[in-house]
Amino acid sequence: DQQVKQNSPSLSVQEGRISILNCDYTNSMFDYFLWYKKYPAEGPTFLISISSIKDKNEDGRFTVFLNKSAKHLSLHIVPSQPGDSAVYFCAASVIQGAQKLVFGQGTRLTINP
Amino acid sequence: EAGVVQSPRYKIIEKKQPVAFWCNPISGHNTLYWYLQNLGQGPELLIRYENEEAVDDSQLPKDRFSAERLKGVDSTLKIQPAELGDSAVYLCASSYGTPSDEQFFGPGTRLTVL
Repeated sequence: DQQVKQNSPSLSVQEGRISILNCDYTNSMFDYFLWYKKYPAEGPTFLISISSIKDKNEDGRFTVFLNKSAKHLSLHIVPSQPGDSAVYFCAASVIQGAQKLVFGQGTRLTINP
Repeated sequence: EAGVVQSPRYKIIEKKQPVAFWCNPISGHNTLYWYLQNLGQGPELLIRYENEEAVDDSQLPKDRFSAERLKGVDSTLKIQPAELGDSAVYLCASSYGTPSDEQFFGPGTRLTVL
């Protein structure tokens, strides 16, 4: 039972353009969502988060959008840079108590010069 | 500030052998997590510690996996005996422990069971 799904295993984008990574979830109890970025041979690093009381959170070139009715979130990177090439994981949790993150399968983003 | 330290980084063993992984969290982080990451998948929580207490071990296969966090600082995850399907990356993470706190991940230990 995959509660958090990233249906695109890979995405290729030209440098300077917008990268859009998508994530869907099934558990309506999730109220906190995060994106992590992972380079090869390193652990995931936190990128940006959003709570369910918001529909948008922005941090520099990174913006996360949350559509609760569709149980869908997306990460926008504008403009995309070569250093953004990595695997991106979407994660979700129930903020009260558990701190248990449920991760998606990841999307490998490649930024082409 | 030093990050989460894990050792070894890579381990190759034959099936039925025991193996242990070590994690030292970021200083001051009360909460420690062990995750399993299979190839092409996201991390899955195995166990979470609050100080020295295991508060969520529901996903830990207790017949062959064990973990400890003596003194509430560093932690060891053990597999005995290892099976072929245990080949994966084992990630350790830590946080201060409030629900919205960021989890900081170590580089992981890549286990190969032959």
